[in-house]
This record gives sequence, C-alpha cells and structure tokens, in this order.
Amino acid sequence: NAGVTQTPKFQVLKTGQSMTLQCAQDMNHEYMSWYRQDPGMGLRLIHYSVGAGITDQGEVPNGYNVSRSTTEDFPLRLLSAAPSQTSVYFCASSRGMEDQGGYTFGSGTRLTVV
Amino acid sequence: GENVEQHPSTLSVQEGDSAVIKCTYSDSASNYFPWYKQELGKGPQLIIDIRSNVGEKKDQRIAVTLNKTAKHFSLHITETQPEDSAVYFCAASTYDYKLSFGAGTTVTVRA
Repeated sequence: NAGVTQTPKFQVLKTGQSMTLQCAQDMNHEYMSWYRQDPGMGLRLIHYSVGAGITDQGEVPNGYNVSRSTTEDFPLRLLSAAPSQTSVYFCASSRGMEDQGGYTFGSGTRLTVV
Repeated sequence: GENVEQHPSTLSVQEGDSAVIKCTYSDSASNYFPWYKQELGKGPQLIIDIRSNVGEKKDQRIAVTLNKTAKHFSLHITETQPEDSAVYFCAASTYDYKLSFGAGTTVTVRA
C-alpha cells in the first residue's frame, strides 16, 4: 500500500494562477480531508469529505474548491492563487467515525505564491 | 467551533528525562483526542489517541491522560531518546470527526 499520495511536492505559482493539488489513497478510506499548515498555527481544516460525492467546508475554505468523484481521489483546487495561500498543504484519510482509527497524512505539498 | 490550546510551544529535555505536553479544549462535546508527531519534511503521524470514555492510555514510553471535567489532556514521554525530537500536535474532535489541532510543540532531546 502506498497510503496517501500527494502531488506535486513543491509548487510555485504567480498571483491569480489556478492549480489543482492531487491526493490519492489506496486504503479504501471513506473520510478524506485537506489541511493547511502555517508556522505557529498548527493545521487548519480546509475541506473534508465523508464519502464519494459528499464534501463540506472546514475552518478556512475560502479560495479553495474540492470534489470527491471516487473513494480514492480528493483533489484540492485553488481558483485564483493569492500570497496568503502560501503554505504547506496536507491531505489525510481515515476509515471513518465507526472506527476512528485516526487519520493517515500524506507527505505534503509546499506551495509558494509570488 | 472547537478551540485547542497547546503548551509549551518549545520543550528541551535531557536524554533520558521525561517530557510533558498539555492541551486544553473548549467544546465539551469533543470525544476523540489524538496526538501526532511530525518530523522535518514529513506529514504528521499518529502516535497515540484516547477517547472520552477512557482516562488514561499507555503505549510503551508514551502515555496520554484525559480530564474531561477540566477539558484538558496531556502527552507524557518517558526515557526520552534523540529520535523523539520532533514537533508534536494534539487534536480534538466531536462526532463529526473533524480534527481541530493545537499549534504544536517542538521537542528537542539533548544528548
């Protein structure tokens, strides 16, 4: 099992550009989430999904879109990049509430917006 | 929403000593409290978790305690080793399983 795979690992964008951060998991997990990590602020939830076709907003959703067409994939789209979106982004997956076995995190995407 | 505070922000300990990290949470409905370890350049990794119906849980050198009345929980690492040096995050969630994280504690184990 590869676990949670995120691509790309590094990305530099110009202000106003759009892009998609990819996330895939091969553990058949129902729950998937996107977090951003900024210095001194821990991890903040952007969007999450409890299953294919179901998504919802987290704490900091503005400027981001998600979709969940399959159980395996949960891409995060930046619509019009802003310098405030410079951060490290982590995707995570979990079996879900019944098991609450904890989230497995990917290795992250470091995004810089100039 | 849930607010999780974590202290201290940095912790330096001598190898072999114990390390304690404390977290408080605001939502009395929170029922799941995981701890994550993050090494440089990697994603957070779950090291131990506790549910609201349990007061204490131990796994080798790591233990977590939960005080629901006071709404705080703690991570205890005994006999610290250099490989314990990392950033540690506490988190809390309610039945919707959305994790709210603390700001993190950078632990340095001095040889």
